[in-house]
Amino acid sequence: DSGVTQTPKHLITATGQRVTLRCSPRSGDLSVYWYQQSLDQGLQFLIQYYNGEERAKGNILERFSAQQFPDLHSELNLSSLELGDSALYFCASSPEGGVVTGANVLTFGAGSRLTVL
Amino acid sequence: ELKVEQNPLFLSMQEGKNYTIYCNYSTTSDRLYWYRQDPGKSLESLFVLLSNGAVKQEGRLMASLDTKARLSTLHITAAVHDLSATYFCAVDGWGQKLVFGQGTRLTINP
Repeated sequence: DSGVTQTPKHLITATGQRVTLRCSPRSGDLSVYWYQQSLDQGLQFLIQYYNGEERAKGNILERFSAQQFPDLHSELNLSSLELGDSALYFCASSPEGGVVTGANVLTFGAGSRLTVL
Repeated sequence: ELKVEQNPLFLSMQEGKNYTIYCNYSTTSDRLYWYRQDPGKSLESLFVLLSNGAVKQEGRLMASLDTKARLSTLHITAAVHDLSATYFCAVDGWGQKLVFGQGTRLTINP
């Protein structure tokens, strides 16, 4: 157990639907990252939050949004789902988020596997 | 835009052999990470390399970093089946964004 908790583990839904993926970071970590892993795109960085604020944005579609709450858990919302959104979505956390003074090792959760039919 | 490229992407080898996975990146960075992923599982941190010439070893795996060449290597010595996994290198991009390579799927056959 890495200490990063993601729910649900598996999710099957239909095109056009909306889902929410949830992540609780490791105790003490302030940063949360979301990554999408698919066979053809590899591991793609989506977005990062640090202590409730958006810190960095990657290749996140406009149909996707995320937020980090005061208790530091984060949610990734995926809407108007398409077949191509089927992927493994990872959440990761780290202590750092501002100026990095050394290693910024991410701890990954087990992932949420999304299947869009 | 930071790009991270690994090669080979697929590697099948026999137990007892040695091999090296290469990781090239496109912009200056002195922080490089190696992760391991077992099929259907999460990513596990293996090594953190923070300076030019850094070398880290754990068991049969050894990682090194050459920041001038923008190259990191992951060397496997006398491979055993338990090392079969996908190995990713990752580099700190702008801000806090960690950019991953495509991954090298390593299969070690008895």
